[in-house]
Amino acid sequence: QVQLVESGGGVVQPGGSLRLSCAASGFSFSSYAMHWVRQAPGQGLEWVAVVSFDGNQRYYPDSVKGRFTISRDNSKNKVYLQMYTLRVEDTAVYYCAKDSVNWYFDLWGRGTLVTVSS
Amino acid sequence: EIVMTQSPATLSVSPGERATLSCRASQSVTSNLAWYQQKPGQAPRLLIYATSTRATGIPARFSGSGSGTEFTLTISSLQSEDSAVYYCLQYNNWPPWTFGHGTKVDIK
Repeated sequence: QVQLVESGGGVVQPGGSLRLSCAASGFSFSSYAMHWVRQAPGQGLEWVAVVSFDGNQRYYPDSVKGRFTISRDNSKNKVYLQMYTLRVEDTAVYYCAKDSVNWYFDLWGRGTLVTVSS
Repeated sequence: EIVMTQSPATLSVSPGERATLSCRASQSVTSNLAWYQQKPGQAPRLLIYATSTRATGIPARFSGSGSGTEFTLTISSLQSEDSAVYYCLQYNNWPPWTFGHGTKVDIK
């Protein structure tokens, strides 16, 4: 079954850290770039990070650059998002998404909720 | 960064009628435009990629058109299950990938 399953969300205080995980199954994980996309409560979608199929290239938007790190372990079929110095505005559902090879997202997980609050 | 603007913000359509959703890019994205459907409490689902190609399993009542900076998603005969928020995504110039703010489709 082709799927992505996120985990690791929770409540964290401002300035804190959290690591999200995404487990992939049903496709050749090591052949595809992987993304994280987030959605603040009642808001739209915001792309957060991408890692290339081999883990050698990573990109971030300015809103998280220097605070978030994306990585992957192809031996475990997992992608991670390490988040540091979290802010209230980082509160969102974080989705893991598979790249199609042509740079749009063709498979999404169900998401994991991150709440940054004191 | 390419800014994507969707209109209208909300669309109310009767079952069986046509729904037309618009997406405008601040600069050309050629044909690298995708559409996603998101129902409450669910992850987004890919509907259309490359402006007009339906994803696997997507009904033929969904169609996409446009090029450059102006794009349209059309639902030819709205069904009750089509009530959702629809987002466009440009993947021509990245990073960053950028989404529109969404159009909510309500059933009258």
